[in-house]
Amino acid sequence: GESVGLHLPTLSVQEGDNSIINCAYSNSASDYFIWYKQESGKGPQFIIDIRSNMDKRQGQRVTVLLNKTVKHLSLQIAATQPGDSAVYFCAEPGRDDKIIFGKGTRLHILP
Amino acid sequence: KAGVTQTPRYLIKTRGQQVTLSCSPISGHRSVSWYQQTPGQGLQFLFEYFSETQRNKGNFPGRFSGRQFSNSRSEMNVSTLELGDSALYLCASSSRGRGSSYEQYFGPGTRLTVT
Repeated sequence: GESVGLHLPTLSVQEGDNSIINCAYSNSASDYFIWYKQESGKGPQFIIDIRSNMDKRQGQRVTVLLNKTVKHLSLQIAATQPGDSAVYFCAEPGRDDKIIFGKGTRLHILP
Repeated sequence: KAGVTQTPRYLIKTRGQQVTLSCSPISGHRSVSWYQQTPGQGLQFLFEYFSETQRNKGNFPGRFSGRQFSNSRSEMNVSTLELGDSALYLCASSSRGRGSSYEQYFGPGTRLTVT
C-alpha cells in the first residue's frame, strides 16, 4: 500500500546549524507533499507544501526538496533555533484524498 | 481568526463506555477531518466531513463514527471503548473543496485515556 516514512525518529542539531529532515515515499504517482510541525501539547502545524512539478520550494527559513527519481523529499531548516524543537511529519494525500502521515522525526536543539 | 477548538482537552473513560468528542472549525471552513495519534501508529486518518456529509473514511472499525452539523461543528463518537483506543484525537479544518489546497489547521487535540 501507499506509505510515507521518515528515515530517523530523532535528530539532534546544534543551535544555529542547519537541520535536514528526510522522508521517503512509496507511490511514484504521488504528486503533492506536505510538511507539518508538531510542538509538545499542540496539534500539527502546516509548514510548507510542494507539488511534483517542482524540485524545490522555499519558505521562511525552510526549504523542501523533492527528488522524484528516488522518491525522496527533505525539509531543510536554516539556522535552527530553540523554537524549532518539535516533531516533524511529512504527509501526502493517498488514494481517495486520505492524508497519509509519516511516523515523524523529533528534532532536538542542542545549546 | 479563532483557531480550531476541541473539547474536552482530557478525558478518562473505562472500557466498554462510549465517548463523544467535539470540534469547532475555523469560521468559514467547511471541511473537518479527524485523526487518531498514538506513539505506535502515529497519525492515522479517521474520517472527513464536508458540508455535513462524510466525504472520506479511514480504516477504523464501526465503533468510530462522526457527524457534522450545519454550522460545520463536528463530533466524533467511539462506542464500546477498548484500551487500545487511548490516544490523542485531533481535529483539523480546512476550506478545501476537492482538488484545492490540502492546508489543514489542527486543534490541540483531546487526550483520551481508557482504563
